[in-house]
Formats: sequence, C-alpha cells, structure tokens
Amino acid sequence: QKEVEQDPGPLSVPEGAIVSLNCTYSNSAFQYFMWYRQYSRKGPELLMYTYSSGNKEDGRFTAQVDKSSKYISLFIRDSQPSDSATYLCAMKAAGNKLTFGGGTRVLVKP
Amino acid sequence: DAGVTQSPTHLIKTRGQQVTLRCSPKSGHDTVSWYQQALGQGPQFIFQYYEEEERQRGNFPDRFSGHQFPNYSSELNVNALLLGDSALYLCASSLGADDSPLHFGNGTRLTVT
Repeated sequence: QKEVEQDPGPLSVPEGAIVSLNCTYSNSAFQYFMWYRQYSRKGPELLMYTYSSGNKEDGRFTAQVDKSSKYISLFIRDSQPSDSATYLCAMKAAGNKLTFGGGTRVLVKP
Repeated sequence: DAGVTQSPTHLIKTRGQQVTLRCSPKSGHDTVSWYQQALGQGPQFIFQYYEEEERQRGNFPDRFSGHQFPNYSSELNVNALLLGDSALYLCASSLGADDSPLHFGNGTRLTVT
C-alpha cells in the first residue's frame, strides 16, 4: 500500500464549478501538507502549504487538513479552463523529503 | 527573481551510458533536492543537498549520485543507464534543510533507448 493515495481521475467539471480533490495517507509522522499544480511539460507549482489541521484559504483555493482521519482536501472555487492540470498532494515529516500522491488530472470544460 | 533553472530540457541516451543533469536554485535558496517523476506518477525523492553534503536519500541505487557546489547549484549523475531510468528529473530548491516550502524547476526529460 502506498503511503499517500490519490485518485488519478480524470476529473471533468464545467467552467465555474467547484473542483474537489483529496488524498489519504497512512504515515502519522507527516506534519506538513502541500498541494502542487503541474501543467503538461512543466514542473510542479506550489499552491498551498499547511502545517496544522483545519482550513487555509488563498483566493479561489481552500486547503483542508484532518490529521485524525489522515485526509487532506483541496477545493477550487469558480473553476476556469486555465485550472486544467494535474494536481499533486505532497506531505512530509521533519526535514524536506516530500512524499507525493500520484496526482489527479483535472479538466475544466468551457 | 529567477526561479529554479534546469539544463538540459531534454536528453536522449543509450543504455549503459552516463548522464549529468544540472540545476541552479531559486535566488536566496541554499538547499537542492532531486526527484524522479515517471510518466503518470508523482515525483519520487532521490536525495537532498545542503552545505555541499548529501543530507537525505531516497530508495535509489548508488548509480544515482550528486554534488552541490559552493554557489548552491547542483548536479545529478546517473551511471549505467537503464531503460527504466527514463523519466522527468526535477530539481527543487528551498531555504535551509528542514521545513521551508520547495520550489521546483521544469525538469529535464531523460529518454533512455
């Protein structure tokens, strides 16, 4: 079983809809949680970086962390065609080694 | 403000050959990490360099080695290439060896034939 599980998708939504993404994990030592966006032929771009359980909001993006359930989520409001990309969750314990999920491909249709 | 830059962008090698990939960290960053991303998968941690030393290593064989220079730039070397080494190799930089966010470059696409 992988340490971090993420549905590969693809997840197809109409423009303006809310995109809901999530990951589950098994390692209780993970303390820091991130979401990255990756466009085709590009490197991952950091969207959200959180430490504690709870919600964090940045513009159209909201990240949720539930450490008791080992479950993290990312919500994208008012989705745009430019949000079409692969979204990667990542997490780490102390230090800087990231463990990634496999990524969810998202397609926002005009 | 220059982000993380990697060279070359694409590379084709033959089985058994050796390859060197290069990375310049984001301005102000002193730590470099390398990741391997196979097609359709998430990145896998190879190793991290801080203060010119390898600080952490993932589950990769000794064929994978690296170096960090005094200006914080880094190289990834892979010897005796296998077909399975074909992947996108990503460099990420951060400030300090511990808990700051990682910023990634656009990677080097390595194809082994």
